[in-house]
Amino acid sequence: NAGVTQTPKFRVLKTGQSMTLLCAQDMNHEYMYWYRQDPGMGLRLIHYSVGEGTTAKGEVPDGYNVSRLKKQNFLLGLESAAPSQTSVYFCASSPGLAGDLRDTQYFGPGTRLTVL
Amino acid sequence: AQSVTQLDSQVPVFEEAPVELRCNYSSSVSVYLFWYVQYPNQGLQLLLKYLSGSTLVKGINGFEAEFNKSQTSFHLRKPSVHISDTAEYFCAVTSNTGNQFYFGTGTSLTVIP
Repeated sequence: NAGVTQTPKFRVLKTGQSMTLLCAQDMNHEYMYWYRQDPGMGLRLIHYSVGEGTTAKGEVPDGYNVSRLKKQNFLLGLESAAPSQTSVYFCASSPGLAGDLRDTQYFGPGTRLTVL
Repeated sequence: AQSVTQLDSQVPVFEEAPVELRCNYSSSVSVYLFWYVQYPNQGLQLLLKYLSGSTLVKGINGFEAEFNKSQTSFHLRKPSVHISDTAEYFCAVTSNTGNQFYFGTGTSLTVIP
């Protein structure tokens, strides 16, 4: 099993450009998450999904959109990138058996994004 | 709403010495508490979690944590650290009535030979 994979691993954008980050999991998990990690700030939840076709806002959703068209994939989009979105982005998934966010989350290796 | 505070941003400790990483939380409802570890250039992985029951929780790699409701704390401990424990450690919180998941700012543990 590959677990949680993220594409791409690195990306450099110019201000105003758009891009999509792809997260895939092969564990048949219901829940998926997108976080950003910034120095001194830990990880902050951007958006999450509790099942195919559903999405919900996290702590810092502004400037991002997400889609969960297939259970195994969770896409994070930046429509007009800004330097403040320079960060390391982590995707995670969890079984979702309890119906809330208490399950163990399994993380991908991260995507390092730089916006110039 | 919930939040977690990790007061120590960096903790250096000598190999084979004990260590305690502090985590305090705030919440008006019952909480679930977690410790995750991040090794250099990797994603996070779960060390241990408290959902209910015994307040002393044992995790992987010899780590344990104690849930203290009166002090709103969930400190992580290990009696004897190894070089391989050098990593970033994150405390996190959620609840059964909440729809958010909050991480602390992290504690960088450096084990000195």
